[in-house]
Amino acid sequence: EADIYQTPRYLVIGTGKKITLECSQTMGHDKMYWYQQDPGMELHLIHYSYGVNSTEKGDLSSESTVSRIRTEHFPLTLESARPSHTSQYLCASSGGSWDTEAFFGQGTRLTVV
Amino acid sequence: SQQGEEDPQALSIQEGENATMNCSYKTSINNLQWYRQNSGRGLVHLILIRSNEREKHSGRLRVTLDTSKKSSSLLITASRAADTASYFCATDAGGAQKLVFGQGTRLTINP
Repeated sequence: EADIYQTPRYLVIGTGKKITLECSQTMGHDKMYWYQQDPGMELHLIHYSYGVNSTEKGDLSSESTVSRIRTEHFPLTLESARPSHTSQYLCASSGGSWDTEAFFGQGTRLTVV
Repeated sequence: SQQGEEDPQALSIQEGENATMNCSYKTSINNLQWYRQNSGRGLVHLILIRSNEREKHSGRLRVTLDTSKKSSSLLITASRAADTASYFCATDAGGAQKLVFGQGTRLTINP
């Protein structure tokens, strides 16, 4: 079983609020990822990190920001939530080699009202 | 799509039949992976095939890779109701160290 955890699982929040989605892994993985997934299924990469103090924007432009101060922790923050941010957010991590699998958390389903 | 196209987008078959899903990608790759997602949950890794491999098996799964056509296929043999899920291919986007997914195929196995 994968040791990667996302909290909260579900979040309903009002427009304009600041939120942080938490993602932690205990596998010592260097690479971590955030994906946004709408009900239509496709996963969009919004942020990724090679290691501590390294973050990159993904292929889908996002108003969210991330930080990687510790290897095990990769939180995603929205400074001012909007209804357009309503989606499922999936966090994943993988080991140092390029040919290793990624492990996914269970996701956070965010609804902005 | 970030990665390419998956075909078909949805597939419905009878239990016991074989299911084939196809994935195309845009860039050169070091490897291609297949994942499964049960409804509303995180993804689970199924199999990884390297760019110098043409075919790989794991239990009832068979994956092929054609780098000249930038395409891969996933075959699930003797399908079961528990195989009902969405299936995604993913690549490392040419060694960019980011994991990029296709659009996915929604597979339904009818009992």
